[in-house]
Amino acid sequence: EAQVTQNPRYLITVTGKKLTVTCSQNMNHEYMSWYRQDPGLGLRQIYYSMNVEVTDKGDVPEGYKVSRKEKRNFPLILESPSPNQTSLYFCASRMGQDNSPLHFGNGTRLTVT
Amino acid sequence: AQSVTQPDIHITVSEGASLELRCNYSYGATPYLFWYVQSPGQGLQLLLKYFSGDTLVQGIKGFEAEFKRSQSSFNLRKPSVHWSDAAEYFCAVEAYNTDKLIFGTGTRLQVFP
Repeated sequence: EAQVTQNPRYLITVTGKKLTVTCSQNMNHEYMSWYRQDPGLGLRQIYYSMNVEVTDKGDVPEGYKVSRKEKRNFPLILESPSPNQTSLYFCASRMGQDNSPLHFGNGTRLTVT
Repeated sequence: AQSVTQPDIHITVSEGASLELRCNYSYGATPYLFWYVQSPGQGLQLLLKYFSGDTLVQGIKGFEAEFKRSQSSFNLRKPSVHWSDAAEYFCAVEAYNTDKLIFGTGTRLQVFP
């Protein structure tokens, strides 16, 4: 089954403790992206990647890192999480620059205390 | 810069009633337009998309949307709502050849029996 898999689904952590949210897709998509969803703000893009070893900042990249060492994986790294990063995070992927629709993971709800 | 406005934060309808969710965009040229639906605890799923051609597009689950260039709108409609349509709906716009998808803030639909 074609899917985008995020782990974990829920994560509670404390300020400053590094964490990684994994994202993997099995559709051989070139493009992958991370979004955060906050009430009243919709989805905002954090980082995206056009292909392996190619990453770019989205609208709200501060406090986040990503890597794209393999085509299928696009982990989101919070080196020193802060409470304002408490949010619902979505990973998404699609084919390259053909405006094909995004396929979303089921989300990771992160709470930073 | 491109932007998307969904003026209705929350809409309540009775089952069987018709539905229209509003979406207005700001962009200098004709953008690529999308509607996504998010069921509770799930990621976003594409309902329909508009790139060019016929301005009335059909999507899944009986939804349709009409692109009106003169009004910079891309409203989502359904003739008869089902209880399972209760969800949050997001309009999104992408400028040509940018790979940057901008989401609206979402409209939460509640359906009463």
